[in-house]
Amino acid sequence: DTGVSQNPRHKITKRGQNVTFRCDPISEHNRLYWYRQTLGQGPEFLTYFQNEAQLEKSRLLSDRFSAERPKGSFSTLEIQRTEQGDSAMYLCASSWGMDTQYFGPGTRLTVL
Amino acid sequence: AQRVTQPEKLLSVFKGAPVELKCNYSYSGSPELFWYVQYSRQRLQLLLRHISRESIKGFTADLNKGETSFHLKKPFAQEEDSAMYYCALRSGNTPLVFGKGTRLSVIA
Repeated sequence: DTGVSQNPRHKITKRGQNVTFRCDPISEHNRLYWYRQTLGQGPEFLTYFQNEAQLEKSRLLSDRFSAERPKGSFSTLEIQRTEQGDSAMYLCASSWGMDTQYFGPGTRLTVL
Repeated sequence: AQRVTQPEKLLSVFKGAPVELKCNYSYSGSPELFWYVQYSRQRLQLLLRHISRESIKGFTADLNKGETSFHLKKPFAQEEDSAMYYCALRSGNTPLVFGKGTRLSVIA
């Protein structure tokens, strides 16, 4: 296990298109988190799962955003009808319960 | 509301000089405080957490509830310490709240 992985690493899309990102957590971790990071800011929490249940969503997560973790393993984050303001680094992290969160390398989204 | 403030965007120090990265937080309860670090072209990783009360790579941080601070310190900076440092807070089962980060540059 090489840690948390995210795909793709970079995504360029046109405004109005839909995009989907994938996160593969560390295999034994039951919690999976999504964060967004824009230039000059720290990571901002979006949502998290415990196993397959989505337990909390931030107000940052508009109706255009949806996240799933269907089998309690990998997770996907979809953004519909992308806007230029969605351009950011999307980070995934996983943990065993409340223990240390391990971060992935991130997916950088650019919306033209 | 939980908030983490890192007042310095950039901190430059000479190699061998002491380092202090400031972090202040606002939360009325009993928070858990963390320092995360991101080296160039690497992913974000945990450096230390206040409940561990340990020194990692020569860095220490003491939680001061009276001043609501969790400053990160190292007596002698090394070039390999150059990185982006983020202070973060959590309370109970709440998500991590990060500060905006401080870029540490250690000059040879």
